Amino acid sequence: SQKIEQNSEALNIQEGKTATLTCNYTNYSPAYLQWYRQDPGRGPVFLLLIRENEKEKRKERLKVTFDTTLKQSLFHITASQPADSATYLCALDRGAGRGKLIFGQGTELSVKP
Amino acid sequence: GAVVSQHPSRVICKSGTSVKIECRSLDFQATTMFWYRQFPKQSLMLMATSNEGSKATYEQGVEKDKFLINHASLTLSTLTVTSAHPEDSSFYICSASGQGVYNEQFFGPGTRLTVL
Repeated sequence: SQKIEQNSEALNIQEGKTATLTCNYTNYSPAYLQWYRQDPGRGPVFLLLIRENEKEKRKERLKVTFDTTLKQSLFHITASQPADSATYLCALDRGAGRGKLIFGQGTELSVKP
Repeated sequence: GAVVSQHPSRVICKSGTSVKIECRSLDFQATTMFWYRQFPKQSLMLMATSNEGSKATYEQGVEKDKFLINHASLTLSTLTVTSAHPEDSSFYICSASGQGVYNEQFFGPGTRLTVL
């Protein structure tokens, strides 16, 4: 069955460092992958989408890579700030072009000043 | 732009009662709306997909008679949890698509349901 895994343990880093989060998937060939941010008690907020034919995508301090051979995406936040503290979710399309997504369980990031 | 609202944000009800949750796209017309539930420290689980004017498509294992979805217009979808029980207590989140460049989903703030 289709499966998505993210680092289950919380990631704690110092302000100014680069945070790297991992998303792995199996039994799957998604056309694109998305990353969302979720704050406690709130709905997710879309950050970035990367397509299967793209290796890397950047947006301000965010960078996403997509390796379809390894079936893995890496999400980087450079020059991290305490305001970046949140849970980050990766999501894959379920195919058939209907927009349905499968979400990972999320990785909680904590950036200390 | 692309704002999605949910109402209520929090509801506490007695076992056996029905609860209605509204999801609205405030500044765009949503071609599709999705309903998710999320348990603490777990991922979002898709419950159903709805398109305006047609019946919702439910995911495997989700009881359509238990979770009634009505998508009356391009800006409003409702989820009714019928005869709620304590195991239905969860965080319910809706999302809407149709506005984004990537057809990404815009999520509402969620509704925390507690059934006593």
